[in-house]
Amino acid sequence: GAGVSQSPSNKVTEKGKDVELRCDPISGHTALYWYRQSLGQGLEFLIYFQGNSAPDKSGLPSDRFSAERTGGSVSTLTIQRTQQEDSAVYLCASSGSAGGTGELFFGEGSRLTVL
Amino acid sequence: AQKITQTQPGMFVQEKEAVTLDCTYDTSDPSYGLFWYKQPSSGEMIFLIYQGSYDQQNATEGRYSLNFQKARKSANLVISASQLGDSAMYFCAMREGILTGGGNKLTFGTGTQLKVEL
Repeated sequence: GAGVSQSPSNKVTEKGKDVELRCDPISGHTALYWYRQSLGQGLEFLIYFQGNSAPDKSGLPSDRFSAERTGGSVSTLTIQRTQQEDSAVYLCASSGSAGGTGELFFGEGSRLTVL
Repeated sequence: AQKITQTQPGMFVQEKEAVTLDCTYDTSDPSYGLFWYKQPSSGEMIFLIYQGSYDQQNATEGRYSLNFQKARKSANLVISASQLGDSAMYFCAMREGILTGGGNKLTFGTGTQLKVEL
């Protein structure tokens, strides 16, 4: 597809389970970002990938959160031992440039509900 | 300190009127960029407009314009001739280090919910 694709669009899980969220960025985009948006709130930065550089993990809230990007394209965000406060929409975005003036193109998000 | 502050949690405007959404920012970096995004109830994030700190002119994109006041560190979004479809959440965001190559993530404000009424 032409845009950023995220899956699943909705995920309901039980507290303590692990979840994986997937992001397929726009073809050719070198930068990939994960953000979290809690209900009615702004976007909270989680992690940023740029090419083969070491990712910027400064926004990950705890060591239960991790992400990888394979082959410079698809990314997976993993949340281990989920907690109820992890419930949020997880947004992935990609950009064609490393910072600079390039805007981010967002996917439609993965809504995670932890029961 | 908050890097991006949006002080209006909610705004109402009548159709065809203009509306200004406020955004102030805090940075000591000389090179930065300011972005506005729209998020309708469907949840998608739509890029609206960009202003660079060194741009001489205020940015405009159709009905959107950015009132950039560098000394005041404000970057207010002006929407002219509001339409019902403009009802959405609007986010201001900043990227620092535009010219030094250090810029990557966008830092977002908490948003302003705009409601356009007949």
